Amino acid sequence: DAGVIQSPRHEVTEMGQEVTLRCKPISGHDYLFWYRQTMMRGLELLIYFNNNVPIDDSGMPEDRFSAKMPNASFSTLKIQPSEPRDSAVYFCASSWDSYEQYFGPGTRLTVT
Amino acid sequence: GEDVEQSLFLSVREGDSSVINCTYTDSSSTYLYWYKQEPGAGLQLLTYIFSNMDMKQDQRLTVLLNKKDKHLSLRIADTQTGDSAIYFCAESTGRRALTFGSGTRLQVQP
Repeated sequence: DAGVIQSPRHEVTEMGQEVTLRCKPISGHDYLFWYRQTMMRGLELLIYFNNNVPIDDSGMPEDRFSAKMPNASFSTLKIQPSEPRDSAVYFCASSWDSYEQYFGPGTRLTVT
Repeated sequence: GEDVEQSLFLSVREGDSSVINCTYTDSSSTYLYWYKQEPGAGLQLLTYIFSNMDMKQDQRLTVLLNKKDKHLSLRIADTQTGDSAIYFCAESTGRRALTFGSGTRLQVQP
């Protein structure tokens, strides 16, 4: 298996633009997690899905952030409009039982 | 509430053992994890331990759990330069998602 795949690996955008991050989980995994990593706040959960249904979105910062999982093999995290404080590395992780979580390589987002 | 704490930095010589420590506050933690992050990379799951276990060994890695003191440690035997990375302790509870510590940067000197 190729592992969790994220795209793009790097994204540089201007404040106010829409940003879409993509994730393909490991085949057969029922759980998908989105995390954000910053120097100030470390690694924090944004949202997670089970069988394509959002279960816990309490970590989503505000209405500018939205996440979808239209099918078992694809998820998106969208930021609209983006702000400089959204600059971070965004990780997607997947798991078959929610306990062993396997992380993707991350998307480094820079908002100028 | 959930809180996981780690020391920020550890330096060891190649061939020595490394011990990275972690404390957590949530007594309902079910699993405790160690992840490794190399520069510019994602997090690699190294090992994890169920909360009813005291110890788990996997090749050069030994995890010790003191549930009474809410203390978790990761021992790396015969530390190599390739072990240089940031090591994250994490816990999971019924909430399913992981709560991470701030990470310990391990520097291995030749």
